[in-house]
Amino acid sequence: EVQLVESGGGLVQPGGSLRLSCAASGFTFSDHFMDWVRQAPGKGLEWVGRTKNKAYNYITEYAASVKGRFTISRDDSKNSVYLHMNSLKIEDTAVYYCAMIRGVMGYWGQGTLVTVSS
Amino acid sequence: QAVVTQEPSLTVSPGGTVTLTCGSSTGAVTSDHFPYWFQQKPGQVPRTLIYDTSNRHSWTPARFSGSLLGGKAALTLSGAQPDDEADYYCLLSCSGARVFGGGTKLTVL
Repeated sequence: EVQLVESGGGLVQPGGSLRLSCAASGFTFSDHFMDWVRQAPGKGLEWVGRTKNKAYNYITEYAASVKGRFTISRDDSKNSVYLHMNSLKIEDTAVYYCAMIRGVMGYWGQGTLVTVSS
Repeated sequence: QAVVTQEPSLTVSPGGTVTLTCGSSTGAVTSDHFPYWFQQKPGQVPRTLIYDTSNRHSWTPARFSGSLLGGKAALTLSGAQPDDEADYYCLLSCSGARVFGGGTKLTVL
């Protein structure tokens, strides 16, 4: 059974940093691209970014709204993907989902809430 | 970055048919945008319905189908059920990034 479990969310002040983690199981993690998606309270889904796999040189891609502030990394030995968030803004407040959305793989984690507030 | 547009809201009668669309500000949506469709009910995690324009996942009911229609990606629901009332989002791949549409709130009434 595919499982994606996010952790690391919480309350952070504007300008602060946070690292989210996503632990994967139930599939060959190293073969797959991994996405981060967020959803602000009462709003729609927003794609944050993704990391490709080793065959694609672990290329990362980002939404314009987070480029230069957020970084995605992965550790295939730990079956985990990370979202490093810097210079956080109030508008970054959202539930952050780890997801595997490529081809027949369409799995989502339960999400972790990040609240940016003073 | 492209802007992806969806109908803000639609209503369908139980047993009826409705088509949701997904357009791009950069031009016609094609299979090269690898359109995805997701369903999200209140308080729940999104669920992937359709991938790569028209492919259903193993858990996707057959009453949902995906296609390209008039330069847009389309999700057609045939034989709507009360349980289909939800928000629906499309996702397009656009020049090295992915962009969600704003979502369509579907009411079954």
